[in-house]
Amino acid sequence: DTVLTQSPALAVSPGERVSISCRASEGVNSYMHWYQQKPGQQPKLLIYKASNLASGVPARFSGSGSGTDFTLTIDPVEADDTATYFCQQSWNDPWTFGGGTKLELK
Amino acid sequence: QVTLKESGPGILQPSQTLSLTCTFSGFSLSTYGMGVGWIRQPSGKGLEWLANIWWDDDKYYNPSLKNRLTISKDTSNNQAFLKITNVDTADTATYYCARIGLGAGWYFDFWGPGTMVTVSS
Repeated sequence: DTVLTQSPALAVSPGERVSISCRASEGVNSYMHWYQQKPGQQPKLLIYKASNLASGVPARFSGSGSGTDFTLTIDPVEADDTATYFCQQSWNDPWTFGGGTKLELK
Repeated sequence: QVTLKESGPGILQPSQTLSLTCTFSGFSLSTYGMGVGWIRQPSGKGLEWLANIWWDDDKYYNPSLKNRLTISKDTSNNQAFLKITNVDTADTATYYCARIGLGAGWYFDFWGPGTMVTVSS
């Protein structure tokens, strides 16, 4: 299986820029997607195919990368961005998710 | 407007079969390229992809559970189903169904709110 590795947690101040990384154990082309999950809610699609902003998602969110290294960037971070962020690949079977990065605001 | 909603038994005993239903609106599983997937999440933990079913009735399963999973659909009633046989406490989780986006990319663009399932004797 393709293992996706994310840092467990990050803490940033509102107004700052934050980058959340996701490293794949093997290449996934550009088939990396990012989701935001707030406590008690279902995941929400933010970015699809590495760099495409999902409908209705603020332009503060952006994605980059290809192959094995991917980044979700939030700039500037707002208080409402407190959540866990998951990456997911759909290039290799089975589809897999990263362990999630919990973003906390200082 | 695309919506999905999962339903399930809430609680069941070890060795029983878990039956889940995903009822959706705003799209059709008979549309070319459309798919629905099932994903689960134990409390406080990460997401695990379980299975996908496509418009042409193609099915894909996570090999780690493949022998226990059966995914199916009822296109006319806008529903998708997942059965997991011989459940164990490790199957306790919130189960989500999600639409697989039409654009080439195979991502989950809309999710249901999830249904909690507890396996306990």
